[in-house]
Amino acid sequence: QVQLVQSGAEVKKPGASVKVSCKSSRYTFTSYYMHWVRQAPGQGLEWMGIINPSGGSTSYAQKFQGRVTMTRDTSTSTVYMELSSLRSEDTAVYYCAREAYGDQVFAYWGQGTPVTVSS
Amino acid sequence: EIVLTQSPGTLSLSPGERATLSCRASQSVRSSYLAWYQQKPGQAPRLLIYGASSRATGIPDRFSGSGSGTDFTLIISRLEPEDFAVYYCQQYGGSPFTFGPGTRVDIK
Repeated sequence: QVQLVQSGAEVKKPGASVKVSCKSSRYTFTSYYMHWVRQAPGQGLEWMGIINPSGGSTSYAQKFQGRVTMTRDTSTSTVYMELSSLRSEDTAVYYCAREAYGDQVFAYWGQGTPVTVSS
Repeated sequence: EIVLTQSPGTLSLSPGERATLSCRASQSVRSSYLAWYQQKPGQAPRLLIYGASSRATGIPDRFSGSGSGTDFTLIISRLEPEDFAVYYCQQYGGSPFTFGPGTRVDIK
């Protein structure tokens, strides 16, 4: 069964950066695109962007352009999402989500990483 | 950007009843790339339906999806206690991959 295991909870001060990891296992890491989605407390789901683990190409939601960077390490089958210039509105649970076989739907999700931004 | 609207915001029903959830898109969703997810408190979303009407692996047949273009529906034929949750629709036909605001299905 596909596994996506994310890094632990983070507490950051406004203006800082956070880097969340998502380690994949039990499938070929470079064969499936990975997305990042966040969810603020009591709110809905918000798509942040996508990374191709094979070549490393990325595409980000306009809202996060200039503040988000998605990278991958093929040697450890891990993708990363770094968000900079944090503000209180970035307090959320951040999820990685892998596409399905032959379809772009988000078939597998990590357990989520809570990020709290507070002074 | 395709904006998704879900209705109702909250649905209060009893176990055994039928739930009908609606998702409307601001423009046509390419190739019916419309999905439905279920989310319970403290958990990641779970894929239920993709391609507007195909059930994901392991999803019971009481869940069904339909629709095309701009109007989509998720039906839960007979609510089980474990079905009370929040349901999100999502279009994945083009970037940005937008989600609807969700419909909460509560126990009446």
